[in-house]
Amino acid sequence: DTGVSQDPRHKITKRGQNVTFRCDPISEHNRLYWYRQTLGQGPEFLTYFQNEAQLEKSRLLSDRFSAERPKGSFSTLEIQRTEQGDSAMYLCASSFGGLAGGGELFFGEGSRLTVL
Amino acid sequence: KQEVTQIPAALSVPEGENLVLNCSFTDSAIYNLQWFRQDPGKGLTSLLLIQSSQREQTSGRLNASLDKSSGRSTLYIAASQPGDSATYLCAVCPRDYKLSFGAGTTVTVRA
Repeated sequence: DTGVSQDPRHKITKRGQNVTFRCDPISEHNRLYWYRQTLGQGPEFLTYFQNEAQLEKSRLLSDRFSAERPKGSFSTLEIQRTEQGDSAMYLCASSFGGLAGGGELFFGEGSRLTVL
Repeated sequence: KQEVTQIPAALSVPEGENLVLNCSFTDSAIYNLQWFRQDPGKGLTSLLLIQSSQREQTSGRLNASLDKSSGRSTLYIAASQPGDSATYLCAVCPRDYKLSFGAGTTVTVRA
């Protein structure tokens, strides 16, 4: 399968624990994005990378969140000291080039986080 | 701040009926508008993309229109089938790196 893959698909954790999600984009895509989606809402932009550089971060991304994309390939999203409000689906997407010119965005299946 | 609204939130129709899904947005400064489909517990699949200079796009039974000046888009699905049951999300592209999504319309097509 050459689509965007995310791991794990589901994660249940206790409040205060750290969690890490991994995203493997489509191999030739230079841009990688993270979104968060809560139940009944549309996805909200968190951050994006062009190659290995993190170029934009939403105000939703508090200092407990950190994202990396070493070597411009896969990306990780770590949440430290999880809170119940962090419970959501974390979606990764990738594209070849920017979105303004109609670059298609390919989403992964998401990583669902439940914080107890 | 760009606000994207989708009405209705949910829709149930008998098989064969045409579907009309509405999307409105508050800021007309967008590069393009996209419609996505999301099945329960899954990621998003792109259906149609309309550039800001275009008025409509068609793909098979799907047709999307865009009126940028009034901040509206409509997705038409002809001759609906049970397999069309899903949540349909509208997203505008206000920045080269970002999409702003509506909350979606959940469609149920009854056999």
